[in-house]
Amino acid sequence: QKEVEQNSGPLSVPEGAIASLNCTYSDRVSQSFFWYRQYSGKSPELIMSIYSNGDKEDGRFTAQLNKASQYVSLLIRDSQPSDSATYLCAVYFGNEKLTFGTGTRLTIIP
Amino acid sequence: KAGVTQTPRYLIKTRGQQVTLSCSPISGHRSVSWYQQTPGQGLQFLFEYFSETQRNKGNFPGRFSGRQFSNSRSEMNVSTLELGDSALYLCASSAPGIGNTIYFGEGSWLTVV
Repeated sequence: QKEVEQNSGPLSVPEGAIASLNCTYSDRVSQSFFWYRQYSGKSPELIMSIYSNGDKEDGRFTAQLNKASQYVSLLIRDSQPSDSATYLCAVYFGNEKLTFGTGTRLTIIP
Repeated sequence: KAGVTQTPRYLIKTRGQQVTLSCSPISGHRSVSWYQQTPGQGLQFLFEYFSETQRNKGNFPGRFSGRQFSNSRSEMNVSTLELGDSALYLCASSAPGIGNTIYFGEGSWLTVV
């Protein structure tokens, strides 16, 4: 059973602080990893994709991938109230469908 | 570039009825996936179509079916609706290639009463 696991939260972070979201996956051969953000009542929207070990930065967001330890994380710097949402980690297992974690609910406290 | 378009956005059906949902992918995208999202189960994969062929299928009963047309537009159908089918149904499209990013439509909210 190929799985993607996330802490469901809720995760509460003060405004301006760094929010750290983590995700582990079960298959060592996975090559493609994604973070999506979903606001309540809306569909998921892509934040970042990452394919290689290490860090990938895009504005206030940094994705970190460690294939040996089978985890991928998302850091949000200078957290804003508008970052309050559910964050979904998604992983392609080989040639199969994109598998999503259950999501981490993040609340930024003003 | 227009995004993924899903219709209808909201619908209410009665138990035992059937429903058809439609999805138009981003122009140039040939892969279409369908997901069901409920509060308790999260995002569950239904099926994926590529070039009119079902490429992957999730663990849903046969009441859930789909198809893709030559213009890449896709439909999914749920027959003999049950109360538990109430959910947000999301369509996503991606460009050809393994491991490509999928982009979601706004979804179709189905309520079964």
